[in-house]
Amino acid sequence: TQLLEQSPQFLSIQEGENLTVYCNSSSVFSSLQWYRQEPGEGPVLLVTVVTGGEVKKLKRLTFQFGDARKDSSLHITAAQPGDTGLYLCAGVLFSYDKLIFGTGTRLQVFP
Amino acid sequence: DTGVSQNPRHKITKRGQNVTFRCDPISEHNRLYWYRQTLGQGPEFLTYFQNEAQLEKSRLLSDRFSAERPKGSFSTLEIQRTEQGDSAMYLCASSTRQTDQPQHFGDGTRLSIL
Repeated sequence: TQLLEQSPQFLSIQEGENLTVYCNSSSVFSSLQWYRQEPGEGPVLLVTVVTGGEVKKLKRLTFQFGDARKDSSLHITAAQPGDTGLYLCAGVLFSYDKLIFGTGTRLQVFP
Repeated sequence: DTGVSQNPRHKITKRGQNVTFRCDPISEHNRLYWYRQTLGQGPEFLTYFQNEAQLEKSRLLSDRFSAERPKGSFSTLEIQRTEQGDSAMYLCASSTRQTDQPQHFGDGTRLSIL
């Protein structure tokens, strides 16, 4: 059973388009992190959200943590080829320290 | 470079051999984590240390796997009698002890079993 489900699994879009990636669970998390991973490299942290309803912006990327702390979304405005990669959400359950990763969303942005 | 460092980056070995990987965390981080990632999947937790104490081990970590962090700094992950199913990327991450602090990952060791 996958604790964190991401959708879509694959996304292939043209440069300039907007997109949203969803990360959903039936569990409540104390915090949630988003990472981007390129082939042959480790995940690189993009953002950490810790408060229900929290919204964080990182240039063209907007991250939201659900009010109930069970879900999160990543919205990219005007996607660029440099945004191509595997996007992973990862949550931390209360009283635990390990990350539980989502299934991943592979994004390809064509020029 | 003050990030998490892992070596080797790649390891190719025959089935049945033993392998050992090393992870050097960010120097001020006292927590160190090991994860395993297979192709097309997100990383899965294996084990973690706070200083030199191993605090949790996943059921994924069979008795052929052992991890150590003898002085609370670098860590090693050893796999004995490797099997085909051990082929994966082994990732190390570190963080501070404070609640909800993010984990920072190294670039991993890719293990291929022939």
